[in-house]
Amino acid sequence: SQKIEQNSEALNIQEGKTATLTCNYTNYSPAYLQWYRQDPGRGPVFLLLIRENEKEKRKERLKVTFDTTLKQSLFHITASQPADSATYLCALRNTGNQFYFGTGTSLTVIP
Amino acid sequence: NAGVTQTPKFQVLKTGQSMTLQCAQDMNHNSMYWYRQDPGMGLRLIYYSASEGTTDKGEVPNGYNVSRLNKREFSLRLESAAPSQTSVYFCASSGPYQETQYFGPGTRLLVL
Repeated sequence: SQKIEQNSEALNIQEGKTATLTCNYTNYSPAYLQWYRQDPGRGPVFLLLIRENEKEKRKERLKVTFDTTLKQSLFHITASQPADSATYLCALRNTGNQFYFGTGTSLTVIP
Repeated sequence: NAGVTQTPKFQVLKTGQSMTLQCAQDMNHNSMYWYRQDPGMGLRLIYYSASEGTTDKGEVPNGYNVSRLNKREFSLRLESAAPSQTSVYFCASSGPYQETQYFGPGTRLLVL
């Protein structure tokens, strides 16, 4: 069956450290993978997209890697801040026009 | 620009009642989507519309109907609500390459 799995447990890290979130998938062949941020009571907000032929993408303090052999994406937030506390969702687009989302990882950055 | 707007924000229904969730976007996007989000299940696609006049089923379409009224508006209808449809519903839209989805603020629905 098709699955997208993210860190099942909440992630707590100290301010200033690097947070690393994982997204693993099975039985998909995504053209690209996206990461979104979701704050409580709000809709997801797009952060980054990485294509199947890209290994790494950066945007300010964010970095995403994509390994199609391992079927895994890693999402890094460097120099984390309390304002980075949120739930982070990975999503992939398979063939067609549909997106599939993971269940999300809740990140708390402790001051 | 308001982006993606949804109404209502909250709704309580009794089993068997019907209602329509409204969604509008002002970004001139062709594609629009309806998702539901449940604890532990993530966002699941209910229906989507690749362009005005077309709609397609997603992962969980049973119990729902949609209408793409025009390019801006995409509504979701529950004909006979069931407690299993208690959820948070998000509408989203995306541009010509469907690479980025823009989400609305959500509608919280409780079916008793």
